[in-house]
This record gives sequence, C-alpha cells and structure tokens, in this order.
Amino acid sequence: DVVLTQTLVAQPVRLGDQASISCRSSQSLVHSDGHTYLEWYLQKPGQSPQLLIYEVSNRFSGVPNRFSGSGSGSDFTLKISRVEPEDLGVYYCFEGTHDPFTFGSGTKLEIK
Amino acid sequence: QIQLVQSGPELKKPGESVKISCKASGYTFTDYAMHWVKQAPGKGLKWMGWINTYTGKPTYADDFKGRFVFSLEASASTANLQISNLKNEDTATYFCAYYDGTYYAFAYWGQGTLVTVSS
Repeated sequence: DVVLTQTLVAQPVRLGDQASISCRSSQSLVHSDGHTYLEWYLQKPGQSPQLLIYEVSNRFSGVPNRFSGSGSGSDFTLKISRVEPEDLGVYYCFEGTHDPFTFGSGTKLEIK
Repeated sequence: QIQLVQSGPELKKPGESVKISCKASGYTFTDYAMHWVKQAPGKGLKWMGWINTYTGKPTYADDFKGRFVFSLEASASTANLQISNLKNEDTATYFCAYYDGTYYAFAYWGQGTLVTVSS
C-alpha cells in the first residue's frame, strides 16, 4: 500500500507570509492512464474537508489563486503565497492512483 | 447545487450496530462513486472504501472488511454505511464524499456523522 508522508505535523506561519507543505509518496503516483491523482484538502476546525487542488496542480472551482500545487512522481508541494486567517486548519494530501487510496497524516497550519 | 446530507449523531453501546445515511441531491446519483472516510477524534482522515452507485458493488479498505457494509437506496439517491458489532475504536466522525468524474477528486462532502460507542 502507498504511504503518503507529510513530515511536518504543524507549520507555524505569520499572516501574509508564504507557507509550503510537502507530501512524499512511497511510490510513484502516476497512473497507468498517465494522470497523477494527487489532491490537497483543507479541513478547517469543525468542518468537512474541502478540495483545494486536484491532479497535482489544478485549483478547484472557487479556490483562491494564492494556493498552488506542484510536483511529480512521488514528491509534491502545496504553496500558499500569502496566508490569510481563513487558511488556517489541517492540510491533507490524498492519492487516488493506487488501490487502496490513502490520505497523508496532515499538516496543521497555525499562527506563529 | 450538489449536496450530501448525512444522518445525525449516534450514541451506541459496544456490540450494537449503527446505520449512517448520506442523501445526495443536485446530480445524477448513479453517475459517480460514493466514498466513505473515517476520522477518529483528534486524528487524521482514513479512507474506508467506496461503492459503485451504478452497480452497487462495494470495495473496502483492508481495515474495514468484515463489520462494515456499504449499501445503496438508489431510488432515494442515498448511500448507507452500516457498522455491526461496534467497538470503542469505531468512535469517530464518518464522512461520505462524492468522487467527481470531472475532477477525479472528492469535490463534495457530507457534513459528517459522529458515532460514539460507549458503555
């Protein structure tokens, strides 16, 4: 089974600064169809997770352009260019390439 | 608009069963799969598996084989999760999530159902 490692449990950040969250997979997430099904979700306190990024780098509808995803193969990064108060919460990467699908352990974005 | 509305919180005793529902609206229910995700208190998200809403065929992650059953009431656009022989470690919030075929991602989530197992 794939293991997604988000090394940072918590990422302290100042409002207005850039934040970067990494996600490393134990194997390549390139599907046999050529797509890479790596997503990023944000779970705000007391809420359901919400989709931010799909297929590594595509912003979901309504997601501000300060969020960007990058990476390939087994190494991925989510960047938030200017952190705003509503960005605080836990960020999870998720892979939908290999069965069983897997979430990363989560990285909490918190105020420094 | 697309909505997933889950049933309310449950308090159960060990050994009992529980059935959680997830009612979908705003799209053709049988077009895309429904997935289930577990979140224990203070913990991360764990993918449980999915059900093909067209055929009714469920697929379970290894940790959720045996006591967990995904089912459908397709005529009511509803997916269900039943857990039998409840254990304390089943205490969690369970989310349904619709796997959107445009984005190939969980674009829409239910609000979550808290199941508490306590004697």
